Amino acid sequence: GAGVSQSPRYKVAKRGQDVALRCDPISGHVSLFWYQQALGQGPEFLTYFQNEAQLDKSGLPSDRFFAERPEGSVSTLKIQRTQQEDSAVYLCASSLVLSNTEAFFGQGTRLTVV
Amino acid sequence: AQKITQTQPGMFVQEKEAVTLDCTYDTSDQSYGLFWYKQPSSGEMIFLIYQGSYDEQNATEGRYSLNFQKARKSANLVISASQLGDSAMYFCAMSLGGNTGKLIFGQGTTLQVKP
Repeated sequence: GAGVSQSPRYKVAKRGQDVALRCDPISGHVSLFWYQQALGQGPEFLTYFQNEAQLDKSGLPSDRFFAERPEGSVSTLKIQRTQQEDSAVYLCASSLVLSNTEAFFGQGTRLTVV
Repeated sequence: AQKITQTQPGMFVQEKEAVTLDCTYDTSDQSYGLFWYKQPSSGEMIFLIYQGSYDEQNATEGRYSLNFQKARKSANLVISASQLGDSAMYFCAMSLGGNTGKLIFGQGTTLQVKP
């Protein structure tokens, strides 16, 4: 596709449910990034992949958060046993290479945990 | 610690005038990049402009320019000839080393352009 695509755009989950958020990066982009953006705040880095390798997961807030990119293209961010504090917009970004090019962001998935 | 600070929660500007959005950063790294992104109400982050720490000239992209003052650790965004479509949230961000996708973002500044 022309840009980074994320689905679903909106997700309402009951506390304790598991959720899976999908990211389709721009075709051919090697690097993929996940961010969490709380209401009224700047995005915060969660994790990134280079192809299928998860090279940095230092921003994942707890072991309930898990990300994968098994074939080096589509990525899924999974949150287990969702809590109210997980409510946020989850942004995915991709870039052609790691350096000297900007990252392109998707429109995000707004997760609301009730 | 690496940090980005945007001290203006909200700004107003008259259409066709110029506006400066402030950004200061803190890092002890010598190699870093500074970015500005625009986030309209639809939610996507739109890349506007990039400045590398070793770039001597200020970056410009159309109506956007980055006023980079390395000694003061500031990277202000200047938007010239504001348009109604410029109304959005603006984020300053910093990358460290060579990874231009792992970004530290500021809190953002909401810009409203008045007709």
